[in-house]
Amino acid sequence: DAKTTQPTSMDCAEGRAANLPCNHSTISGNEYVYWYRQIHSQGPQYIIHGLKNNETNEMASLIITEDRKSSTLILPHATLRDTAVYYCIVRVGSNYKLTFGKGTLLTVNP
Amino acid sequence: NAGVTQTPKFQVLKTGQSMTLQCAQDMNHEYMSWYRQDPGMGLRLIHYSVGAGITDQGEVPNGYNVSRSTTEDFPLRLLSAAPSQTSVYFCASTSGGWASGGDTQYFGPGTRLTVL
Repeated sequence: DAKTTQPTSMDCAEGRAANLPCNHSTISGNEYVYWYRQIHSQGPQYIIHGLKNNETNEMASLIITEDRKSSTLILPHATLRDTAVYYCIVRVGSNYKLTFGKGTLLTVNP
Repeated sequence: NAGVTQTPKFQVLKTGQSMTLQCAQDMNHEYMSWYRQDPGMGLRLIHYSVGAGITDQGEVPNGYNVSRSTTEDFPLRLLSAAPSQTSVYFCASTSGGWASGGDTQYFGPGTRLTVL
């Protein structure tokens, strides 16, 4: 699976959009981009995933560049409860294993 | 649905002791896996199973055994606990849609293990 690069930490003001970047320049054509988050001491929680097209669900939006070498997770109106470590993971569909990096610690400030 | 459940939530062992971490899911998922997470680190895959009777090693399998006799349960056994196995252990499960990239993994709440 392709490796990903994320900033170590980011801050965001409550109520503003949080934009978390991820670089996956070696991604292959059959690899999906997944985002998970882990709130302190809890198990990771799925957020969203995509292959080529931009995706949106009730939690977030995922913007994947046309060349698929990077993506951005957008939390449209961040709340204090969104403070967590966010993991960007790329995965071949036939390989169900998830490989976690160190992720980005997003801190939402009042 | 209870989702993915893990027991115990906390455990303290002495070096050399053995124990089993329990994981169960009630979603009829085919795939289950065990991860460990050390302080300040991401999760690392220990063992996984693609169905009852089928298991395989992940990234850090040494010191751990698994078996999968039923779809619901996937216990993780520590054979002879060592301080290096002090960690938080997460179990996860997912349906067969995972193979096509169209599904998600659901994680349990974790077991916090300390080996003295």
